[in-house]
Amino acid sequence: AQKVTQAQTEISVVEKEDVTLDCVYETRDTTYYLFWYKQPPSGELVFLIRRNSFDEQNEISGRYSWNFQKSTSSFNFTITASQVVDSAVYFCALSELENNDMRFGAGTRLTVKP
Amino acid sequence: DVKVTQSSRYLVKRTGEKVFLECVQDMDHENMFWYRQDPGLGLRLIYFSYDVKMKEKGDIPEGYSVSREKKERFSLILESASTNQTSMYLCASSRTRGLPYNEQFFGPGTRLTVL
Repeated sequence: AQKVTQAQTEISVVEKEDVTLDCVYETRDTTYYLFWYKQPPSGELVFLIRRNSFDEQNEISGRYSWNFQKSTSSFNFTITASQVVDSAVYFCALSELENNDMRFGAGTRLTVKP
Repeated sequence: DVKVTQSSRYLVKRTGEKVFLECVQDMDHENMFWYRQDPGLGLRLIYFSYDVKMKEKGDIPEGYSVSREKKERFSLILESASTNQTSMYLCASSRTRGLPYNEQFFGPGTRLTVL
């Protein structure tokens, strides 16, 4: 069965610092999909990005960037010049071709202080 | 925009009560999911459904059942609520069965307290 590990339970940074959230996954499938979600204090999870196992290109979207490395089974998320509005719980998730229900990591709570 | 709504944001029930959590999505999605979220454990899948009247057990189905009589509605039922079912419950939907790259869209969650 697939598994997702987010070893960082909580991270606290000061505004404008860069921060990286780690995600390590396990799967036996060769075709799989990785996701990041953001859960702000309001509670509703918001989809941020999806990556398939055949596409290892890094992605940048504004202050957000994602580093996918199959060699280390990692899909890390970096926020550049963090802002208070980035404060949230961030979840990494994995979906396999064989079993396409999604498995989530435990989440990382990011607090950005002014 | 996809909208997933849940019947209550906060709910307080007593041990032994039967509890219904309702979820409705308005984008004609085939797949619907129920998770519970607990600190340090992330989201754990309780049940999911790929079609009307279909249901599949997730990782922690014990103590729960589900009902999907209409495509847009997916209900989670706690037959006899217990204190260890105090949690945040999240409903989600996604487009089509067999497409694991589909992201899931989530409702705002129901924080259930069982006394």
